[in-house]
Amino acid sequence: DADVTQTPRNRITKTGKRIMLECSQTKGHDRMYWYRQDPGLGLRLIYYSFDVKDINKGEISDGYSVSRQAQAKFSLSLESAIPNQTALYFCATSVHPEGGELFFGEGSRLTVL
Amino acid sequence: GIQVEQSPPDLILQEGANSTLRCNFSDSVNNLQWFHQNPWGQLINLFYIPSGTKQNGRLSATTVATERYSLLYISSSQTTDSGVYFCAVENWYNQGGKLIFGQGTELSVKP
Repeated sequence: DADVTQTPRNRITKTGKRIMLECSQTKGHDRMYWYRQDPGLGLRLIYYSFDVKDINKGEISDGYSVSRQAQAKFSLSLESAIPNQTALYFCATSVHPEGGELFFGEGSRLTVL
Repeated sequence: GIQVEQSPPDLILQEGANSTLRCNFSDSVNNLQWFHQNPWGQLINLFYIPSGTKQNGRLSATTVATERYSLLYISSSQTTDSGVYFCAVENWYNQGGKLIFGQGTELSVKP
């Protein structure tokens, strides 16, 4: 089993629908991240969390919200999906406190029609 | 914030050739990592290399932090090396602890 698991792996939805992407990890890392990847734009940080009580906005947080339910779980929500949120979403973890390798989940491909 | 530039944006190689990918960054960093994204979208960490040189099989990386660049070397390339290579950097003190990614180098290795 993967150390960082994302669900769902693929989702097609309609404009205005609420969508939740879930991430769970077995690595025991404190830091968790949500990134978005668009063709030609690399990966951009949406939100990150250093522990259950510490959540921070990244570069492109508008239109997204997150919940850190436990050390091992970090969920990303789109309250009202729009077509330009169609992208590949990645969850990642790293060890606290300073830097350390970043480990990615397998990605969740979201299409908003 | 820190700007990250990778070059070249695209690279086509014949199997067996060597290549060098470059990552330039605009500020001092404490954390630099190289990643490979395979054609199926999976992202794999290749190196954690804020300074110095590391080698792992046919891949090696060098970061010269004082001159703000890092190089990824691929020797004797194989078709399985195809994909996109990303460099990502972080300055713990200025960025509050988050990696910023370059736009990647897309490598295609032909048999």
